[in-house]
Amino acid sequence: QVQLQESGPGLVKPSGTLSLTCTVSGDSISSSNWWSWVRQPPGKGLEWIGEIYHSGSTNYNPSLKSRVTISVDKSKNQFSLNLSSVTAADTAVYYCGAVPAAINAFDIWGQGTMVTVSS
Amino acid sequence: QLVLTQSPSASASLGASVKLTCTLSSGHSSYAIAWHQQQPEKGPRFLMKLNSDGSHSKGDGIPDRFSGSSSGAERYLTISSLQSEDEADYYCQTWGTGIRVFGGGTKLTVL
Repeated sequence: QVQLQESGPGLVKPSGTLSLTCTVSGDSISSSNWWSWVRQPPGKGLEWIGEIYHSGSTNYNPSLKSRVTISVDKSKNQFSLNLSSVTAADTAVYYCGAVPAAINAFDIWGQGTMVTVSS
Repeated sequence: QLVLTQSPSASASLGASVKLTCTLSSGHSSYAIAWHQQQPEKGPRFLMKLNSDGSHSKGDGIPDRFSGSSSGAERYLTISSLQSEDEADYYCQTWGTGIRVFGGGTKLTVL
């Protein structure tokens, strides 16, 4: 059974960089999945941030592209999110997800981690 | 531009059925979507992938009470025999070249 677990600081200072890691268990990060990040501001809907394939190919939300970097660490079976120049508007629950290339839908979700941007 | 539109809220009585709608933007009526459920204070859960012809494939453990259908640019999620645990937010999701999109979500209240 594939499981995803987000980890990282729960508090980030304005203008700093938000860094999160998603650990994949029960599957290889080299499988045919896009490994994706989604966020949800308090009381709002889901927003896709971006994704990476094990080959290193990435896709990003155009509205965040200038600030986002997603990378993969095959040796640790993990993928990571870096979001730079954060503001209070980046406060959200951040989810990682697996998107099988065959169906293009998120079929596994992490439990989410709350990140607050505040000084 | 690829956009998904959902009504913000819906309600139905315990034991009844409800049909939620997700509408694809103009020019994208052939696109497949996925439905996800988010119960209060929980992460999302994949319900099903729904194709333009109405065929659908459900996630593991999703009850038969959940079904999908399609008509033109509209994609539907029908929940029958509503239970209290079905009270949740429901999101549709689709994809294009290098992009994934979520609808704004529908908050379902079970009366």
